[in-house]
Amino acid sequence: QSVLTQPPSASGTPGQRVTISCSGSSSNIGSKTVKWYQQFPGTAPKLLIYSNNQRPSGVPDRFSGSKSGTSASLAINGLHSEDEADYYCATWDDSLNGVVFGGGTKLTVL
Amino acid sequence: QVQLVQSGAEVKKPGASVKVSCKASGYTFTRYAISWVRQAPGQGLEWMGWISVYNGNTNHAQKFQGRVTMTTDTSTSTAYMELRSLRFDDTAVYYCAREVDIARLDYWGQGMVVTVSS
Repeated sequence: QSVLTQPPSASGTPGQRVTISCSGSSSNIGSKTVKWYQQFPGTAPKLLIYSNNQRPSGVPDRFSGSKSGTSASLAINGLHSEDEADYYCATWDDSLNGVVFGGGTKLTVL
Repeated sequence: QVQLVQSGAEVKKPGASVKVSCKASGYTFTRYAISWVRQAPGQGLEWMGWISVYNGNTNHAQKFQGRVTMTTDTSTSTAYMELRSLRFDDTAVYYCAREVDIARLDYWGQGMVVTVSS
């Protein structure tokens, strides 16, 4: 049972906009910045978004992040087939005094 | 370029210990913390803890308290994570990652598979 709640799956067709939610509480998302990671099978995760909505160099601007209250979202505009991967949100939790990850969302491009 | 290279896969028996290494290159090793994250087969990411390479301070997830030790060797730019009293459910891929700030892990090792089997 993850502290941060993500839908286990999401899907979309090429060119569509897809959003993935991440729900937390006041001890984590409500007071800390959110990061998002992308992971392909058999490979290490890759940082996609930091500070709620900032993209590291090299991440396409099709990816965007937002936060409101105790929830955050990752949006992917103009879905590509190569976006099919697992996505995780992460942040610090003051109650647990540690980093917490969401359970992950498997994105399927139909 | 920044690289984190981890040691090779290991198979351990229950009750044994494993020490995972993570050799960094391409940046000033002491400027960033190293975090450890693991992923059990078919499961999500689980944060284990981090170590400040600068001063050796560590912070571990509660569930690993007493079983994990994180260290660094600045002379070789290598971080280590030792997990003791291994159980079957410690079977996982163990990743090290460079931490820019809290939970912001910008470079990752390739992962090390640890299998706990009798």
